[in-house]
Amino acid sequence: AQSVTQLGSHVSVSEGALVLLRCNYSSSVPPYLFWYVQYPNQGLQLLLKYTSAATLVKGINGFEAEFKKSETSFHLTKPSAHMSDAAEYFCAVSGDAGGTSYGKLTFGQGTILTVHP
Amino acid sequence: DTGVSQNPRHKITKRGQNVTFRCDPISEHNRLYWYRQTLGQGPEFLTYFQNEAQLEKSRLLSDRFSAERPKGSFSTLEIQRTEQGDSAMYLCASSRWGAGENSPLHFGNGTRLTVT
Repeated sequence: AQSVTQLGSHVSVSEGALVLLRCNYSSSVPPYLFWYVQYPNQGLQLLLKYTSAATLVKGINGFEAEFKKSETSFHLTKPSAHMSDAAEYFCAVSGDAGGTSYGKLTFGQGTILTVHP
Repeated sequence: DTGVSQNPRHKITKRGQNVTFRCDPISEHNRLYWYRQTLGQGPEFLTYFQNEAQLEKSRLLSDRFSAERPKGSFSTLEIQRTEQGDSAMYLCASSRWGAGENSPLHFGNGTRLTVT
């Protein structure tokens, strides 16, 4: 069984400030982990994924995340926030790393990021 | 790559009516997934297909829900006798799986269902 906890349903930062969105997971198998972004009334867009290679994963739009097995965490960061980063962000864990349930994702409840000018 | 296409974008229906949604995946993707997202929540897995075979269904998928992918290309999700609790965004996603390549899910923009 898998689960994802995103700490903080709302995060607010100033433009140019560090973005840190927290994600902790629970998985009975070595996990595949993902961050998705969702803009209003749209589907989800993949930001980055961890699939057991490098623990520091770089994604699109300047985002990166670090897999820490000892902390069961996969926090998302961006050094300098931009107004266009305002959206909802979801962390997800795969149901079966690389196996037949690879796309059966368990999502966290999401974190809404607000960026102030 | 034209992306995953879902139709309609919005559907308003009265309680008790049947509704059907369509999803056209990315053409070379052999897997297709349906998720449901309610307000303020993350998406929840409903079911998925590999080619035309439906391989798994969530307990969330009651008997009123049925999904098909008859030719391994597009898929339909039908809800019979809709209830107000069915109001949600229904998301479709596709991926390519197998032969050493497991792509992540690509999501469509969803169909927002409102049951009055």
